[in-house]
Amino acid sequence: DAGVIQSPRHEVTEMGQEVTLRCKPISGHNSLFWYRQTMMRGLELLIYFNNNVPIDDSGMPEDRFSAKMPNASFSTLKIQPSEPRDSAVYFCASSFQSGEQYFGPGTRLTVT
Amino acid sequence: GDSVTQMEGPVTLSEEACLTINCTYTATGYPSLFWYVQYPGEGLQLLLKATKADDKGSNKGFEATYRKETTSFHLEKGSVQVSDSAVYFCAPAVNSGNTPLVFGKGTRLSVIA
Repeated sequence: DAGVIQSPRHEVTEMGQEVTLRCKPISGHNSLFWYRQTMMRGLELLIYFNNNVPIDDSGMPEDRFSAKMPNASFSTLKIQPSEPRDSAVYFCASSFQSGEQYFGPGTRLTVT
Repeated sequence: GDSVTQMEGPVTLSEEACLTINCTYTATGYPSLFWYVQYPGEGLQLLLKATKADDKGSNKGFEATYRKETTSFHLEKGSVQVSDSAVYFCAPAVNSGNTPLVFGKGTRLSVIA
C-alpha cells in the first residue's frame, strides 16, 4: 500500500490567499484525521471523520478553516483567508477501527 | 477528561546508553496504548503498541509494558544508536474504535556518537 498521501508537500503563499491541502487515506480505512504541528503548540487535532462524516471539529481554530471528505478516498483542509500564524506542518492520518493511526508525510505551509 | 503526561525533553544520550522515557495517562477504562516516533522532516510512525494490561510492545529494540496499576507505558531501550535521534510521542486511545488518540507533547531524543 502507498500509505497516506498528502499534497502538496510544501506550500508557500501570501497572507490573504486561499490554501487547500489534500489527503488520500489508506484504502479501506474508515477514519481520517487532520492535525497541525508547530513548535509552540505541538501536535493538535483539528478535525476527524468517521465514514466520511465529520465527528469532532472542535479543534478547528477559526471559521477560516474548513474540511471536507466527499468520499472515502479523499479529504481537503482549506484555509481562507490564510494568515502568517497558520504557518505549520499539517498532517493527515487514517485508521481502521483499532485506534492505530497511520500518518502522511505532512504539508509544510508557510504564509508570508 | 483523558490526558497523557510525557517526560519533557530534550534528552541527550551517548551512543549505547540506556533510554527511558516516562509516560503516564488518565483514562476511563483500559485504552490501547501506543508509542509513535517522528524522525526529522517526516510524519509520525507507529513504533509499538500494547492493547491490554501487562502486554509488552516491542520494535527496533524499544519496549514498553502496559502497567494498569500505575497507568504507565514507559518507553525503554537498552542501547541507543545515533539513528534513534527523533521525537517520541506517547498516545493512549481514548476508546476502542475510530476515536482520536491523545498525544503527549513529545520527547526529543538526541543521541551523540
